[in-house]
Amino acid sequence: AQSVSQHNHHVILSEAASLELGCNYSYGGTVNLFWYVQYPGQHLQLLLKYFSGDPLVKGIKGFEAEFIKSKFSFNLRKPSVQWSDTAEYFCAVNEGYGQNFVFGPGTRLSVLP
Amino acid sequence: DTGVSQNPRHKITKRGQNVTFRCDPISEHNRLYWYRQTLGQGPEFLTYFQNEAQLEKSRLLSDRFSAERPKGSFSTLEIQRTEQGDSAMYLCASSLVLGTGDTQYFGPGTRLTVL
Repeated sequence: AQSVSQHNHHVILSEAASLELGCNYSYGGTVNLFWYVQYPGQHLQLLLKYFSGDPLVKGIKGFEAEFIKSKFSFNLRKPSVQWSDTAEYFCAVNEGYGQNFVFGPGTRLSVLP
Repeated sequence: DTGVSQNPRHKITKRGQNVTFRCDPISEHNRLYWYRQTLGQGPEFLTYFQNEAQLEKSRLLSDRFSAERPKGSFSTLEIQRTEQGDSAMYLCASSLVLGTGDTQYFGPGTRLTVL
């Protein structure tokens, strides 16, 4: 069965620090990749997605992610975090045209002002 | 508001009672998904519909759970004879599948507490 792992359970950064959150998946075929964010008390929102093409994907709020097929990875990055980025971040994968989305366990990001 | 809506937002029930949740997807979205999320975990897939047809159910979904999408618009998720282990956030998502890719948009969830 497909699985998604996120390396860090909780990341604590100071404002202006750079962010990289790891995501690895197990499926070897064609995949679609997503990062979702859940701000405190709010619902899941799409940050960015990769279906095909340029492996460097830019999303909202200055986030980007890079798909490295050889490493089965889709890491999320932001050069300079803000206090308002404090949230839970979820990586998700679905296979090709498939409908089965698998989410990682999430990484909680705390940004200190 | 044109996003996915879910009702109720919170439900507290006693063990053994039946509960029903409703999800209204984004208008014209043809796929609708149900997930369950517990504290500290990512959403777990439960089931999904393409229009009114229920096409897949997770093995996690016991026979106490049933979902419907009778007219291909809103959906209901019913849990019969609730157990304390059913306490979780139940999320609904919808998407419009046109070709490649499927981007899901999530609702706010229904938080179920079983006493």
